[in-house]
Amino acid sequence: GQQVMQIPQYQHVQEGEDFTTYCNSSTTLSNIQWYKQRPGGHPVFLIQLVKSGEVKKQKRLTFQFGEAKKNSSLHITATQTTDVGTYFCAGRNAGNNRKLIWGLGTSLGVNP
Amino acid sequence: GAGVSQSPSNKVTEKGKDVELRCDPISGHTALYWYRQSLGQGLEFLIYFQGNSAPDKSGLPSDRFSAERTGGSVSTLTIQRTQQEDSAVYLCASSLAAGVDTQYFGPGTRLTVL
Repeated sequence: GQQVMQIPQYQHVQEGEDFTTYCNSSTTLSNIQWYKQRPGGHPVFLIQLVKSGEVKKQKRLTFQFGEAKKNSSLHITATQTTDVGTYFCAGRNAGNNRKLIWGLGTSLGVNP
Repeated sequence: GAGVSQSPSNKVTEKGKDVELRCDPISGHTALYWYRQSLGQGLEFLIYFQGNSAPDKSGLPSDRFSAERTGGSVSTLTIQRTQQEDSAVYLCASSLAAGVDTQYFGPGTRLTVL
């Protein structure tokens, strides 16, 4: 079945360093979403990418959707302690628009 | 406006007992999802409701799990004869409609089966 893989599973960085998490799908996606879950909290929607090669920015966060619409990345510039949490990607299969397929998440720790 | 609410926030039960978990989606959202999240793990899809269509139950792990959505709004997830491996946080999410994608999550119900 369709799978969405996320790497790395965990990463710890020093405050101020950059961070990137990657999401790869076994099938072409119609869109991909990114969510952030703070420790003890619930996932909160960050952004959705729809177009091939799309790049979107939210302050220090940069999101990319691959040309083939099978991979995506989230890059955080100059991490802060408020960035701590788990970042999930979730993709919607191009042939099935009902159910998101979730990656397992990348857990980010930031040392002050 | 009000977000997705879930109750109870915490539930401790004994092995073999039945439990009911409730989700109130955002008003006007026609799509409702249940997920399970074990400690430190990703989201495991359980079931999806969209309007009056038959629910997608493909994620339910066993026939001990069932869910209803009455009147297209409130949903109840029922776990019968709970087992220790059912211990997890159960998250509910709603979205405006199928294909309108942003999912808004509730705070979850933490279920502990002793």
